[in-house]
Formats: sequence, C-alpha cells, structure tokens
Amino acid sequence: GENVEQHPSTLSVQEGDSAVIKCTYSDSASNYFPWYKQELGKRPQLIIDIRSNVGEKKDQRIAVTLNKTAKHFSLHITETQPEDSAVYFCAASKGNTPLVFGKGTRLSVIA
Amino acid sequence: SQTIHQWPATLVQPVGSPLSLECTVEGTSNPNLYWYRQAAGRGLQLLFYSVGIGQISSEVPQNLSASRPQDRQFILSSKKLLLSDSGFYLCAWSPRGLLSTEAFFGQGTRLTVV
Repeated sequence: GENVEQHPSTLSVQEGDSAVIKCTYSDSASNYFPWYKQELGKRPQLIIDIRSNVGEKKDQRIAVTLNKTAKHFSLHITETQPEDSAVYFCAASKGNTPLVFGKGTRLSVIA
Repeated sequence: SQTIHQWPATLVQPVGSPLSLECTVEGTSNPNLYWYRQAAGRGLQLLFYSVGIGQISSEVPQNLSASRPQDRQFILSSKKLLLSDSGFYLCAWSPRGLLSTEAFFGQGTRLTVV
C-alpha cells in the first residue's frame, strides 16, 4: 500500500521567513495530495490540495508543488506569521484508497 | 451544510475495560466514514473506513473494531482496552464516491488508558 514520508519533523523559522515541508509517496498511482493544518488541541483542517494533473497551486501565502516523476510534493509558506505555528500533515490517495498521512511537521514561527 | 459530531471529547478508562466511541454526520447521504488515531510522533494512522452501511475495511490489526449500523453513524469499539490504545481518535467523513478527496474531521476524542 501507499507510504508517505514527511520531512522535517520539526521546523523553526523567524517571522517573515519562508517555510518548506517536503513529502514523498510510494504509489505512482496516487493522484490526490492534500495538506492539513492542526492547531494545538484542534482537529486537522485542509489548507490546500493538488491533483496529479497540476504541477503547482497557490493560495495567497501558501503554495504546493508536485513532482510526479520523483514522487514528491512540497508545501511552501511565505512571509510566515505566528499564527502559522501548528502541525502540518501531508497525505496521498488514489481513487479507491483513503488518505494516507505523513507523520507531521511541527512548525514554530518565532516572533 | 454538513456537520460531524464525535463524542466524548475526553475519556479516561482502566486497562481491560470496554470502549465505545460514536460519530455521526449530518447534512449528507451515504458518506465515506473513517476512524484515525493520532499518537505522539506517529501522525494520523488510519484504523478503519467504510463506504456504506455494514461495509468496514480494517487497516491495522489490533483489538479495536468498527461498525456502521446506520448510514451516517460510525462506532469504534474495543472489548478490552490496552495501555497502548491511548491516543487521540478522530472520526472523519468525505462525500460518497471516490476516496481521493478532502476528508472532514470531527473534534476528536482524547483517550487515556490507565
């Protein structure tokens, strides 16, 4: 089955700097790649997603890139703010299989 | 609009006791339903998923079981809890059809087995 690896496990950045989180997946048939944000004590919520027919997607300060050949995708957050501090999860899925998540990245934005 | 309810929010249970966590979804029909567990440093681990009433797929062999007695109800159970069952349990749903789509999570149940 699908296996998703996520790096780094923790990341600290200065406010205003950029943050990058990377994920690799094992099943070349996977075609849906969401990113979730989980604030302390709360439920994970979708922040951005990308499908395999697209190489890049952007939503304000957040962007996701996908390299199908290398089987990896990345989350980019620009101009980080303290409220970006949270745990971020990547996931991968194909049509008939549920989302398989990475182990998460704890992002700390230092003011 | 669709909403997902999960209870209880927190639970402390002794080793060897039974467990029943319930999740219900409102505002949609025949959703896909999921149970995930979040343990420290292990991310979101899929335990069970269901694409319809009575249809349960198990991803991780352990002493937990799941049932879907009604279209929008998903129950996670155990006959005898282990210390290793402690964690944050999350129910989720996605629209019927393909599983490769956004999943919406409930508020979670923090289970501590003592």
